[in-house]
Amino acid sequence: EDQVTQSPEALRLQEGESSSLNCSYTVSGLRGLFWYRQDPGKGPEFLFTLYSAGEEKEKERLKATLTKKESFLHITAPKPEDSATYLCAVQAGTNAGKSTFGDGTTLTVKP
Amino acid sequence: DGGITQSPKYLFRKEGQNVTLSCEQNLNHDAMYWYRQDPGQGLRLIYYSQIVNDFQKGDIAEGYSVSREKKESFPLTVTSAQKNPTAFYLCASSTNGRDRGGRETQYFGPGTRLLVL
Repeated sequence: EDQVTQSPEALRLQEGESSSLNCSYTVSGLRGLFWYRQDPGKGPEFLFTLYSAGEEKEKERLKATLTKKESFLHITAPKPEDSATYLCAVQAGTNAGKSTFGDGTTLTVKP
Repeated sequence: DGGITQSPKYLFRKEGQNVTLSCEQNLNHDAMYWYRQDPGQGLRLIYYSQIVNDFQKGDIAEGYSVSREKKESFPLTVTSAQKNPTAFYLCASSTNGRDRGGRETQYFGPGTRLLVL
């Protein structure tokens, strides 16, 4: 069974204080790892897709990286508007279309 | 604008009642999905459909039913058999990814919050 674990559960940062969120996974045959941002009471918003170990993607203050066992979402000089829950999901094996999600990391950035 | 719409935003269910959540997409996506999200938790897959007139159970299908009669629409019915229906329900869609090695980015609607009276 595919498993996705995100850590920490919650992270509080001061504005400008860089940090990383972790997503570790146990799957058979990774096809893709996905990062989403979710604001309270809203649907997840797609951020990145990573397909193979060593791959990196960047968008503004966010950078996602992937190894064979985990992915990191690095946040550089965060701003209060970066506060949200960040979800990680994997697609693996032959279950086309099925994604397994982690429980998310809730990030709070204080001004 | 292309996107996914869900209605209603809030839904109240009385005990023993079936309720239906609507999900429509105009992204021309073949695949559609329903997830349930409980407070502080990630998304759990209820049902998914890769093509019209076909759908499969996800990890928590008991107490739910779906239909896929049109490409654009994937309604979810929460039946009276679902004893703990209070949750945030999310619909998503994607391409079938067959041209990209089965990699399918899912795009989400705004969600429906279901509450029990």
